[in-house]
Amino acid sequence: KQEVTQIPAALSVPEGENLVLNCSFTDSAIYNLQWFRQDPGKGLTSLLLIQSSQREQTSGRLNASLDKSSGRSTLYIAASQPGDSATYLCAVLLYNFNKFYFGSGTKLNVKP
Amino acid sequence: DAGVIQSPRHEVTEMGQEVTLRCKPISGHNSLFWYRQTMMRGLELLIYFNNNVPIDDSGMPEDRFSAKMPNASFSTLKIQPSEPRDSAVYFCASSLVLGGRTGELFFGEGSRLTVL
Repeated sequence: KQEVTQIPAALSVPEGENLVLNCSFTDSAIYNLQWFRQDPGKGLTSLLLIQSSQREQTSGRLNASLDKSSGRSTLYIAASQPGDSATYLCAVLLYNFNKFYFGSGTKLNVKP
Repeated sequence: DAGVIQSPRHEVTEMGQEVTLRCKPISGHNSLFWYRQTMMRGLELLIYFNNNVPIDDSGMPEDRFSAKMPNASFSTLKIQPSEPRDSAVYFCASSLVLGGRTGELFFGEGSRLTVL
């Protein structure tokens, strides 16, 4: 069974800092990996989708990388803003099982 | 693009009552997922459909839970009878499956269920 781990569970940084969120997975036979953002009381918003053949994806101040051999993905947020405060979750889709496995998320607080 | 639409957004009911949650997936998507989110267990996949057919319902907790997808634009998740431990946020998500593989997943805003 795929295990998806996100460390740390919570992170607090001052505004303007560049930061990295981590996602680790145990089965490297992934089809794709997706990063989401969840605001309190809201649904999950898709941020970036990385296919297994890709190494990274970028959207604005966000950059996600994927290293299947080491079982890791990182989400890099440049010049963080208070509006970036939310919980960030990663989800992995395996080749053998056509369903997503979710991490428990990293709760980010960006202080003004 | 209206996104995934869920109703009701909030539901408060008493133990033993029937609860029906509804979902309209994104038009053109052929796969639909029901998730449950709690603080203790995080996001759990309950069931997913492909082309309106249930593919994997191994996450459905017990027989009190049932889900249907009568057509490509509508799905329901029913709990009968409801219990306090069913209190959670229930999410519906949809995606386009190509070549047997799920693409980008899009979530609705969720239905927050409280069973007293």
